[in-house]
Amino acid sequence: SQTIHQWPATLVQPVGSPLSLECTVEGTSNPNLYWYRQAAGRGLQLLFYSVGIGQISSEVPQNLSASRPQDRQFILSSKKLLLSDSGFYLCAWSVRRGRETQYFGPGTRLLVL
Amino acid sequence: AQSVTQLDSQVPVFEEAPVELRCNYSSSVSVYLFWYVQYPNQGLQLLLKYLSGSTLVKGINGFEAEFNKSQTSFHLRKPSVHISDTAEYFCAVSVSNTGKLIFGQGTTLQVKP
Repeated sequence: SQTIHQWPATLVQPVGSPLSLECTVEGTSNPNLYWYRQAAGRGLQLLFYSVGIGQISSEVPQNLSASRPQDRQFILSSKKLLLSDSGFYLCAWSVRRGRETQYFGPGTRLLVL
Repeated sequence: AQSVTQLDSQVPVFEEAPVELRCNYSSSVSVYLFWYVQYPNQGLQLLLKYLSGSTLVKGINGFEAEFNKSQTSFHLRKPSVHISDTAEYFCAVSVSNTGKLIFGQGTTLQVKP
């Protein structure tokens, strides 16, 4: 069966520091991968999605970037964190066919102070 | 452009009472529809989905939803809720072959003893 991992689970970082969040998927090949952010008390905002290695689409211009160095690895990064980057970050995957169910990871809680 | 509206931000209900969480969508093309549940500090879990066929869809934990094309709605129902159903519920629509989902703002279901 497929599983999706995210780490770290919780992160507290000072403003201006770098960020690296990692997401890995097991049990499937060639997945679509997604990064979402969920601000406190709000819905999910799609940040990036990827249909293959090195292929990244950005949905919202912002302080973050994403990379996909391997088929089942998706990384969310920032060179300098802002207070507004605080939130709950969720990674998800779906099969490549499109319009399929997305399966979510456990999330990373990021607090920028 | 596609959009999803969850009409209630919070729904308080007593244990063992029935509940309906409302979701309306806007799209000029055929859609796939999803309901996800999020327990505190966790990722999203798929409750049910409508892809095609029968308009009444049954999901996990006793939930069901009905797709109504003429009213562009996909309301979620449960005949008798439990304390453990207290969570955030998200309606989502998939409208493109990229697999991207558009989420509603979420409805907080608060089940009281």
